[in-house]
Order: sequence, then structure tokens, then C-alpha cells
Amino acid sequence: AQSVTQPDIHITVSEGASLELRCNYSYGATPYLFWYVQSPGQGLQLLLKYFSGDTLVQGIKGFEAEFKRSQSSFNLRKPSVHWSDAAEYFCAVGFFGNEKLTFGTGTRLTIIP
Amino acid sequence: EPEVTQTPSHQVTQMGQEVILRCVPISNHLYFYWYRQILGQKVEFLVSFYNNEISEKSEIFDDQFSVERPDGSNFTLKIRSTKLEDSAMYFCASRVNLSGANVLTFGAGSRLTVL
Repeated sequence: AQSVTQPDIHITVSEGASLELRCNYSYGATPYLFWYVQSPGQGLQLLLKYFSGDTLVQGIKGFEAEFKRSQSSFNLRKPSVHWSDAAEYFCAVGFFGNEKLTFGTGTRLTIIP
Repeated sequence: EPEVTQTPSHQVTQMGQEVILRCVPISNHLYFYWYRQILGQKVEFLVSFYNNEISEKSEIFDDQFSVERPDGSNFTLKIRSTKLEDSAMYFCASRVNLSGANVLTFGAGSRLTVL
């Protein structure tokens, strides 16, 4: 079945530590891939996107993500997290000419001092 | 930076009442969307709207739901007779066409609580 999977429901990381949030997809074709962040009380903000080309994409707030076709993955990374990164992170997929995005279930990130 | 504006931020209503959620998309965008997120669940697509008509809708978007662009700026979602299970955060989004992909800009959401 076609799906977007975020295996980690909740991750806790110390401030200053590195971060990796996992996202896997299961589709016949390679979709467009997105990471969105939802801070408490806020809407969904686009962190970064992958359409084609370079498989390592840079986003806002120091985030990056790497597309790995062989693993059907698009993991989000940050070398050193800040307390303000505490939020819910959503991976999403879309296809050219299709109207909608399909979201994963989200990963809640908690930052501890 | 241009943004999508949603009102109200939170609405509490009684079951069976009609609710209208409002959105002001980014001014030069042409494609508009509603998504919803039930507490603790994933963000789900409801409907897309282009050229004054629905272009796609999900199975969630039944006859109780309707969308409208009553003027040149607002985009509304109406729930005719709310049910308890309509309690959710509703997100409006509008689209920037970028390399043919759906790069959506989302609003902050309207939280609907049905009692």
C-alpha cells in the first residue's frame, strides 16, 4: 500500500546534540518529498523539499535532509539542536499534477537541557 | 513574508451547529486547500479548490462540508451540522507553483471543538 511512515513517534534529544528524524515512503514512483515543522500553537512551516537533482537538500533553521532512493527514505538531520527546535515534524509526499500532499503521522521532538 | 491567515484561531460549538472557518490565502496564489488534523493523528487532506470550483476532495469531505471563495480574498470552509468527530485543527493552505510541484503555504490553523 502507498504510505508515508515516520517510525518514531517521540524523540528526546539534549540541546546541542545531533538529530535525525526518519521518514520512509512506499510508492511506485519517486514522489516529491517535504519536511514541515509545527511549533506549539503554530501552523505548518516548510523546512525543506526535494524534487530532483542533488539528493542532499538544505533547508531553513540549519536543517538538511537526504533522499536515498535505494532505501525509500528522506531523513531529516540537524548537527546541533537548539531548544527552539522542540516541535512536531511531519514528512509529506506529493506528486506532479496531483492536488494533495500526504503526511506522515509526525514525530514529536523534545529538547532537554 | 506573505502568509496565509486563518480565523478564528479557536471556535467552540455545540453539536449540530453550523461553523464557518475563514482563510485569507496569499494574494497571488490560485490554488487553495483545506486540511485537518484530529488531535494526535496525521494531517489529512480535505479538499482543493481552483478557478472557483473544487478540483479534488477526499472521502472525508462529505455533504456536510462545503467551500467557497465569496470574494477575491477569502476562502471559507463550512461545516453544515457539526458532529463530535469534526473536532480538529483545520489548516488552510495555498499553493506556489514551483517546478510543477505542490509547495503549499499553510496557515496557523483554526481549532474547532464540538461539544
